[in-house]
Amino acid sequence: QVQLVESGGALVKPGGSLRLSCAGSGFTFRDYYMTWIRRAPGKGLEWISYISGSSQTIFYADSVKGRFTISRDNDNNSVHLQMNSLRAEDTAVYYCARALPPNFYAYLDFWGQGTLVTVSS
Amino acid sequence: EIVLTQSPGTLSLSPGERATLSCRASQTVSRNFLAWYQHRPGQAPRLLMYGASSRATGIPDRFSGGGSGTDFTLTISRLEPEDFAVYYCQQYASLPRTFGPGTKVEVK
Repeated sequence: QVQLVESGGALVKPGGSLRLSCAGSGFTFRDYYMTWIRRAPGKGLEWISYISGSSQTIFYADSVKGRFTISRDNDNNSVHLQMNSLRAEDTAVYYCARALPPNFYAYLDFWGQGTLVTVSS
Repeated sequence: EIVLTQSPGTLSLSPGERATLSCRASQTVSRNFLAWYQHRPGQAPRLLMYGASSRATGIPDRFSGGGSGTDFTLTISRLEPEDFAVYYCQQYASLPRTFGPGTKVEVK
């Protein structure tokens, strides 16, 4: 069955960096857009970024543009989120999700359990 | 950017009752590219509906979605204990993708 497992969450100081990973299994990973979403404490879901199967199409939310970089490794069925210049407001649980159908207009049909990122001095 | 507003913020109901959740968009969501997700504490969010009214795989038929344009609804015909959770709508018609703030369905 489809599984997504995030890793890499940690406590980091403001201005620091962190790299999140999401391992996918149970489906042909390279065929799907993948997305990162986050949920800050006491807040709702926020879409952050997505990447097409070929990595040719990438978009970011304004809140992370220029600081976060999404990438993927289809040989290892993984998608990554490099987070730089972290701020307190980046504190959240970060989820990766698969987008279906595998094109631009896609909803999120499977989600991982999330990984916690805490930005604090 | 399409801003989604959900109402009510909290819905207090008893098991067996009907729940009606609203999602309003600041502009037309083209082709009704609107999805609903359920999020229980400590769990992964779960897709319920897509295309405003299509149930995702494995979702029981007590969940139904409707609406078009800027006004959408999610209805749970008879609440089961596992349905008490937070529900989010999301549009995937334009960038950036946006979520509503959520409606919490709690036990009365």
